Amino acid sequence: GNSVTQMEGPVTLSEEAFLTINCTYTATGYPSLFWYVQYPGEGLQLLLKATKADDKGSNKGFEATYRKETTSFHLEKGSVQVSDSAVYFCALTSGTGANNLFFGTGTRLTVIP
Amino acid sequence: DAGVIQSPRHEVTEMGQEVTLRCKPISGHNSLFWYRQTMMRGLELLIYFNNNVPIDDSGMPEDRFSAKMPNASFSTLKIQPSEPRDSAVYFCASSLDKRSNQPQHFGDGTRLSIL
Repeated sequence: GNSVTQMEGPVTLSEEAFLTINCTYTATGYPSLFWYVQYPGEGLQLLLKATKADDKGSNKGFEATYRKETTSFHLEKGSVQVSDSAVYFCALTSGTGANNLFFGTGTRLTVIP
Repeated sequence: DAGVIQSPRHEVTEMGQEVTLRCKPISGHNSLFWYRQTMMRGLELLIYFNNNVPIDDSGMPEDRFSAKMPNASFSTLKIQPSEPRDSAVYFCASSLDKRSNQPQHFGDGTRLSIL
């Protein structure tokens, strides 16, 4: 079946620290992979995506590379800011003709000044 | 451009009452999704529509839940009768079409509290 396993949180970092949030997946077909971010009181916003193996998605200094050999899509950012504090969700669509998302459990990131 | 619009933002009601949540997808989007978010279960897909037709409702918890999409610009999720365990944040999302590489765009959600 389809599933996403995401690094447990919460994660607390100091400003300008390096961020990694691990995400691995199981999927039928050829999945597309996504990272969504949820700020307090808001809905989920697409952060970045990758639709095939070896693609790198990037946005706002965040990056993730679609690794088929390790079935991973880890999120990284070289220098976090206080404004990056949010909950981050890794997700996939199965690639079998439907685009319903399968989400990980979410990782709460808090960045302190 | 307007995003996905949900109403109400907050709803507090007593157990047994009917609750109706509303969603206006992004204009031109053909797929619409309803999700529920709780601390215990995370994000769960309840139902999704493509071209106004329900495609998969296997996530709908039970017969008390129903969803409709009478046209391309409006959908409702109804709970009747409501129970305290239905308390959650309900999100609506839309995407351009059903291709798996299309991202979903989420509304700000309806926070539902059943007393």
